[in-house]
Amino acid sequence: DGGITQSPKYLFRKEGQNVTLSCEQNLNHDAMYWYRQDPGQGLRLIYYSQIVNDFQKGDIAEGYSVSREKKESFPLTVTSAQKNPTAFYLCASSPPQGPTNEKLFFGSGTQLSVL
Amino acid sequence: AQKVTQAQTEISVVEKEDVTLDCVYETRDTTYYLFWYKQPPSGELVFLIRRNSFDEQNEISGRYSWNFQKSTSSFNFTITASQVVDSAVYFCARTGGGNKLTFGTGTQLKVEL
Repeated sequence: DGGITQSPKYLFRKEGQNVTLSCEQNLNHDAMYWYRQDPGQGLRLIYYSQIVNDFQKGDIAEGYSVSREKKESFPLTVTSAQKNPTAFYLCASSPPQGPTNEKLFFGSGTQLSVL
Repeated sequence: AQKVTQAQTEISVVEKEDVTLDCVYETRDTTYYLFWYKQPPSGELVFLIRRNSFDEQNEISGRYSWNFQKSTSSFNFTITASQVVDSAVYFCARTGGGNKLTFGTGTQLKVEL
């Protein structure tokens, strides 16, 4: 079955450590997105990529980095510069026209906590 | 910023009651899309509906119905005869500013027996 796979489901970060969240899709979608979900704040866009080897900052990109070397993969690195990383992270993808015309497909998320 | 407001943080109902989730949005765009997503306890957001700003017809899908009123910038969602399986967080969202969705803060719906 086609879908989006996020791993791990739970991740713990130590002070000063970078951690990477994995997102893989087999939907053949061009566009991929990372959202951060905090209680009571809804979803906020971190980064998005509309095509391989290209990505743009979203609304809260500081302290995060991404890469898009393959169409199927869009990993998110939470760097030590992100001082409040505890949140639920959701990856999504959509066909080439993006959410303007198409719905987003979401993964099941990664809960990141600070030790 | 053009916001999406879901004023109801949490709603509790008894099974078989009807419930309406409110969504009010801001936009300066003439063309935009509105969405509703459901987030069950498993965490994955599930798409429910997409509505084009030019189409103000109400829509019904089984026990779900949506009321889009452009004059009041509202896109409300009603569940008829609610069931325990409807318990989830529901998000309203709007397109704007390119290929980006702006989400509301979500409404936690609890349906009890």
